[in-house]
Amino acid sequence: AQSVTQPDIHITVSEGASLELRCNYSYGATPYLFWYVQSPGQGLQLLLKYFSGDTLVQGIKGFEAEFKRSQSSFNLRKPSVHWSDAAEYFCAVGAVNPSGGSYIPTFGRGTSLIVHP
Amino acid sequence: NAGVTQTPKFQVLKTGQSMTLQCAQDMNHEYMSWYRQDPGMGLRLIHYSVGAGITDQGEVPNGYNVSRSTTEDFPLRLLSAAPSQTSVYFCASSYRPGEVSYNEQFFGPGTRLTVL
Repeated sequence: AQSVTQPDIHITVSEGASLELRCNYSYGATPYLFWYVQSPGQGLQLLLKYFSGDTLVQGIKGFEAEFKRSQSSFNLRKPSVHWSDAAEYFCAVGAVNPSGGSYIPTFGRGTSLIVHP
Repeated sequence: NAGVTQTPKFQVLKTGQSMTLQCAQDMNHEYMSWYRQDPGMGLRLIHYSVGAGITDQGEVPNGYNVSRSTTEDFPLRLLSAAPSQTSVYFCASSYRPGEVSYNEQFFGPGTRLTVL
């Protein structure tokens, strides 16, 4: 079964500073990889996704993520953080259950981003 | 499209009461799922469905029932509410892998449930 680890529970950055949120996954084949953002009191919104091809993917709101197969990582980055980026960020891996074809997504526990003015 | 809708947005129950959380999607998605979100625990999968008439258990299914009589609807039933079920519940839907390569989840706005 696949798993996702987000090692940082909280990250604090100053507005304008760069950001990197870590995500490591465990899966036997090439997974679908996602980053979602959850603003306070809201549902989750997709930031970006990776399935194949270019390992550097661009998303909405100026975010990007890089898939590194050798490190089983899919870290999220942003060059300059804005106060409105303060939110909870979830990494997720989606994979097809080979025994039954069911789709069972797995989410990390989330990283809370705090932005100081 | 309305996307994924959930009702109610807030609910307070007493221990032992039952209720149904409603979830509907208008995107013709085959996959639907229910998650609960608790502080420090992230999203945990309760039940999911790969199509009408087919459901399966996720990571934390105890105390919850689901059914999928139509493609659009996927209600979650709490049989006898307990304080441990106090949480925020999210419904999500997605395409079937193979039909669309990027099988991202589309989430509803959530239901905040408190059990006293």
